[in-house]
Amino acid sequence: DAMVIQNPRYQVTQFGKPVTLSCSQTLNHNVMYWYQQKSSQAPKLLFHYYDKDFNNEADTPDNFQSRRPNTSFCFLDIRSPGLGDAAMYLCATSGGGTSGTTGELFFGEGSRLTVL
Amino acid sequence: EDQVTQSPEALRLQEGESSSLNCSYTVSGLRGLFWYRQDPGKGPEFLFTLYSAGEEKEKERLKATLTKKESFLHITAPKPEDSATYLCAVQAMNTGFQKLVFGTGTRLLVSP
Repeated sequence: DAMVIQNPRYQVTQFGKPVTLSCSQTLNHNVMYWYQQKSSQAPKLLFHYYDKDFNNEADTPDNFQSRRPNTSFCFLDIRSPGLGDAAMYLCATSGGGTSGTTGELFFGEGSRLTVL
Repeated sequence: EDQVTQSPEALRLQEGESSSLNCSYTVSGLRGLFWYRQDPGKGPEFLFTLYSAGEEKEKERLKATLTKKESFLHITAPKPEDSATYLCAVQAMNTGFQKLVFGTGTRLLVSP
């Protein structure tokens, strides 16, 4: 049973046309993450939510934004996609627990974005 | 800055030919080191967490070990279904949440 579900799996957009990617989870985890992974590169953390608290990585471009309307859902908005934003976007969750604890990340299958 | 370097970038094995993948890391205090498997076009799948030097974890044909500077993923008698990219990631002690820094991975191809 899928626990972290991303939609769409494949998204094609035009240069500058806004895109929204969605992620839902059935694990009731309080931390949700968005990673960007380009071909043959390491996944790169864009931002995360700890419950409703939003945390942006320092080098995440302003073009990327996120919303988390409830525990189960999280969205990645790319306001004006450029060719360099073509990538796999991975949503992940973790149990959080007390601050600083370790925990495995549960990833979705990813959304592959193509920018024409 | 926390860093993870994986080698080799790619590895081709014959079925049954055992080998090891390397993950070297620098981190300001290690809270945990993680191994993930990633199949083409899919998200990473968790394999192991290692917390301290000397620790070992096993799962089927895979065995992960940890020293103070590196981790190895040993693959014993691999099968074609073990073909995937194996990612290593570290979490630093001073992070307030499960922030992982990933390596670029080792692409493993096991031929029948």
